[in-house]
Amino acid sequence: DGGITQSPKYLFRKEGQNVTLSCEQNLNHDAMYWYRQDPGQGLRLIYYSQIVNDFQKGDIAEGYSVSREKKESFPLTVTSAQKNPTAFYLCASRNSRADNEQFFGPGTRLTVL
Amino acid sequence: GEDVEQSLFLSVREGDSSVINCTYTDSSSTYLYWYKQEPGAGLQLLTYIFSNMDMKQDQRLTVLLNKKDKHLSLRIADTQTGDSAIYFCASRGAQAAGNKLTFGGGTRVLVKP
Repeated sequence: DGGITQSPKYLFRKEGQNVTLSCEQNLNHDAMYWYRQDPGQGLRLIYYSQIVNDFQKGDIAEGYSVSREKKESFPLTVTSAQKNPTAFYLCASRNSRADNEQFFGPGTRLTVL
Repeated sequence: GEDVEQSLFLSVREGDSSVINCTYTDSSSTYLYWYKQEPGAGLQLLTYIFSNMDMKQDQRLTVLLNKKDKHLSLRIADTQTGDSAIYFCASRGAQAAGNKLTFGGGTRVLVKP
């Protein structure tokens, strides 16, 4: 089955610790995205990558970092510099040559205690 | 920057039609999307409309676009209990770097039996 996987579904971390959220896709999509969702709010773009070894900041990149060493993978690290990291994180991918649709993963809910 | 606004909540009886409204500010928006999110899950694309269209129908879904007023609506005919979810409107501007989407805050639809 083709799709996007995010793991884990729930993640708990202590304040001050860095944490890395996984996003993998086997859709052969070039572009990948990380969004943050807070209750009652829409999705806000953290980072995106249009090609391997390249990525760009979105609207709320402060306190986050990413890497894109492989086409299939776009991990997001939430650093201790992120002031309010507790949120639902969604990864998406898109075939930049053909589709307008961004396909979303199931999300990871991060809770910082 | 771009902004997308939606009402927060809609309650509808099973079998009735639901209409979810959205306004956007970016006059260069080329594509406008409707996504559905069920509890604890990622986003599922329901439909999208290109900015040179007024209407798009897909089974129970009808999208209306008033480009002059920058108003988008999604009508769900014969609403079912399985349609209870959060619905997000999103726009993509012509100059959007990385094909970035701007999301509204979501409309929570509750279908009562």
